[in-house]
Amino acid sequence: AQKVTQAQTEISVVEKEDVTLDCVYETRDTTYYLFWYKQPPSGELVFLIRRNSFDEQNEISGRYSWNFQKSTSSFNFTITASQVVDSAVYFCALSEAGSGGGADGLTFGKGTHLIIQP
Amino acid sequence: DGGITQSPKYLFRKEGQNVTLSCEQNLNHDAMYWYRQDPGQGLRLIYYSQIVNDFQKGDIAEGYSVSREKKESFPLTVTSAQKNPTAFYLCASMGQGSWHQPQHFGDGTRLSIL
Repeated sequence: AQKVTQAQTEISVVEKEDVTLDCVYETRDTTYYLFWYKQPPSGELVFLIRRNSFDEQNEISGRYSWNFQKSTSSFNFTITASQVVDSAVYFCALSEAGSGGGADGLTFGKGTHLIIQP
Repeated sequence: DGGITQSPKYLFRKEGQNVTLSCEQNLNHDAMYWYRQDPGQGLRLIYYSQIVNDFQKGDIAEGYSVSREKKESFPLTVTSAQKNPTAFYLCASMGQGSWHQPQHFGDGTRLSIL
């Protein structure tokens, strides 16, 4: 069965520090997608990035970067020069191709609450 | 603008009462989902539907029911059998054949027991 583990329940840093959120996943599928979502205090989920299992290229988007390593089943998320507006809960999620063609829903980690102090 | 609308934003349930959470989407998506979020927990899948008039149980379907009579609507009923309904409920949708695409989420409904 698939599983996503976010071992860091809460992280608190001072503004402008860099911070990395860890995500480790388990799956038997060879074809899958990984996602990161941000949940601000208002509650909605905001999509940040997806990565497929065949593409281990790291990605950078502004202050955000993602490191995908199949060898360690990890998909870590780094925020550089953090800002107070980055404060939120961040979720890592897994989607498998599976028998349902990947439409069976996402498997989420428990999330990491990131607090950026001014 | 296209999106997912959940209503109401806040809902209160009395003991023994069924309540229904609304989810409507105008994205022309085939698949729709209901997730439950408890404090400090990730989202857990309750039910999902890939086409009209068909739906499947997720990981925590007990005490819940759904219907999918129209493509754009996927209401969730929290029945009296659900003994711990207090949670944040999120609805999502996804286009057919685009399982690799991110799911689109509504703004959620917070359900509490009176």
